[in-house]
Amino acid sequence: AQKVTQAQTEISVVEKEDVTLDCVYETRDTTYYLFWYKQPPSGELVFLIRRNSFDEQNEISGRYSWNFQKSTSSFNFTITASQVVDSAVYFCALYARGGGADGLTFGKGTHLIIQP
Amino acid sequence: NAGVTQTPKFQVLKTGQSMTLQCAQDMNHNSMYWYRQDPGMGLRLIYYSASEGTTDKGEVPNGYNVSRLNKREFSLRLESAAPSQTSVYFCASRTGLPRDTQYFGPGTRLTVL
Repeated sequence: AQKVTQAQTEISVVEKEDVTLDCVYETRDTTYYLFWYKQPPSGELVFLIRRNSFDEQNEISGRYSWNFQKSTSSFNFTITASQVVDSAVYFCALYARGGGADGLTFGKGTHLIIQP
Repeated sequence: NAGVTQTPKFQVLKTGQSMTLQCAQDMNHNSMYWYRQDPGMGLRLIYYSASEGTTDKGEVPNGYNVSRLNKREFSLRLESAAPSQTSVYFCASRTGLPRDTQYFGPGTRLTVL
């Protein structure tokens, strides 16, 4: 069975601070994909990144960066110089068939609050 | 190119009433999904369809039925709504390789009284 744990229910920081959102996953599959989605207050789900299990390179996109470590089963997300517009709920998700249902397994989300 | 669309955006039902949530995608994707989002629970998979004419149960299928009407449309039906089905429902469709990513519709907020 697959599982995604986002232990931080809510994080509050002041604008311009750096913040890291943690994600730990469990799967027995050797081939899997990891995702981050953003859910702003308007409610839609916005795709941020996809990483496959064979690619452990870290990725940077502007102020966003992701650290994938198979040794610790973690896929953490860092926002540098946070802005108020970054306030949202962020979900980490896992896709691994493993003979089960063909869908994403989501963590419970981290509510990020950026205070001006 | 509208992506994934869902109707309605909001709905209030009384216990025992039935309704169908509609989802359509214009990206020619084979796979489509229905999830529900409850406070503090993340999203959970209800049903999915790997291709036109096929559907399979996800993690929480009880109380729901689905229809993959054609490649574009995937509907979710509540035959006899219960308060426990109060939730936000998201439809998604999935690109093929190499991106292999699910893109979500705007959601339907359903309240069952």
